[in-house]
Amino acid sequence: QEQLVQSGAEVKKPGASVKVSCKASGYSLSNHEINWVRQASGQGLEWMGWMNPNTGKAVYGQNFQGRVTMTRDTSINTAYMELSDLRSEDTAVYYCARGRGVGFDPWGQGTLVSVSS
Amino acid sequence: SYVLTQPPSVSVAPGQTARITCGGDNIASKSVHWYQQKPGQAPVLVVYEDSDRPSGVPGRFSGSKSANTATLAVSRVEVGDEADYYCQVWYTWDSNIHWVFGGGTRLTVL
Repeated sequence: QEQLVQSGAEVKKPGASVKVSCKASGYSLSNHEINWVRQASGQGLEWMGWMNPNTGKAVYGQNFQGRVTMTRDTSINTAYMELSDLRSEDTAVYYCARGRGVGFDPWGQGTLVSVSS
Repeated sequence: SYVLTQPPSVSVAPGQTARITCGGDNIASKSVHWYQQKPGQAPVLVVYEDSDRPSGVPGRFSGSKSANTATLAVSRVEVGDEADYYCQVWYTWDSNIHWVFGGGTRLTVL
């Protein structure tokens, strides 16, 4: 079964950074793009960017350029998303999702990142 | 950037057909994907490329598109279909593919 499993919840202070992992199982991470999407409580889905795990190329959404970095370690079939200079408004559930050009499927279970002083 | 517009809510009685719209400039030229998200769960792809269904998605879910509006129809609605639904497309910006979601529509089964 192809699935993505994410790391656990994080609590951070303003100005800190957070790094969320996303481990692929049942398929090779290198074969498909990984997208990152976040969702604040009670709000909609916000696309953050995508990464090609084969080449390492990453494209970031305009709202996140300069603060987000997407990387991968293909030896352990894992992708990462690091968000820096955290603010209270970054409190959200962060999802990774496999992109195949025809939508995102499957999605990880989500990682709650809380930013509070 | 590109903007997708969805109604905040749609309500329908069990057994009826719910239609959720997604508006965007010249959306007819784009491939539209639809997701279902139930409370506390990750989104699930229910329609891709305007009208195709992933395996395992019931045939009650269907998609269509006109000049400036894409529509997700859920026929013979069940209580279990209560969820938030999001449309999605990609567009190019700065020579790269970017993705965007609509604001989401809450489907309530009366």
